[in-house]
Amino acid sequence: ELKVEQNPLFLSMQEGKNYTIYCNYSTTSDRLYWYRQDPGKSLESLFVLLSNGAVKQEGRLMASLDTKARLSTLHITAAVHDLSATYFCAVGQRETSGSRLTFGEGTQLTVNP
Amino acid sequence: ETGVTQSPTHLIKTRGQQVTLRCSSQSGHNTVSWYQQALGQGPQFIFQYYREEENGRGNFPPRFSGLQFPNYSSELNVNALELDDSALYLCASSLSQGAFEQYFGPGTRLTVT
Repeated sequence: ELKVEQNPLFLSMQEGKNYTIYCNYSTTSDRLYWYRQDPGKSLESLFVLLSNGAVKQEGRLMASLDTKARLSTLHITAAVHDLSATYFCAVGQRETSGSRLTFGEGTQLTVNP
Repeated sequence: ETGVTQSPTHLIKTRGQQVTLRCSSQSGHNTVSWYQQALGQGPQFIFQYYREEENGRGNFPPRFSGLQFPNYSSELNVNALELDDSALYLCASSLSQGAFEQYFGPGTRLTVT
């Protein structure tokens, strides 16, 4: 059974600082996703990483994927308050019938002024 | 292009009752997946529907059932509601059963009392 683990689960950081969220998964996968979720809201897609060594950047967020280590990271650069949210990584699997996403527990990020 | 829509937004049910949640997929998408997100946790895959057939199922009991209609919209039915069924239910649509991207709807918040 695929397991997806994120750490840390809670992260409180100051504006302007850098930090990294880690996502480990237990089996090989087709792709790795990062989502953002604001309180009471749905999931907003941030990145889809499809191959080993993939790196994607959008604003202050950068995601990378190491399929050999089964590790993805979400790096936050010079955090601002607007980045406060819960971040999920999810591993995509194709099966004989269909596909599914397996999510981590989420990292609740709070950026303090 | 219309995104994924879900109804209702919120509802409250009593333990033992039955509930039906609805999802309209994004235009051109023929695959719908349902996820349950309990408070403070990551979403968990319930099942996927492709061309009106169940196409993969997560670790949920048979009282969770679904339908997909010819227009690719979908319903999630839950019988004999339990308190632990209280959650945000997310619907996601994709272009095909093996497509990389899943587009999430706004969710339905179900409270079971």
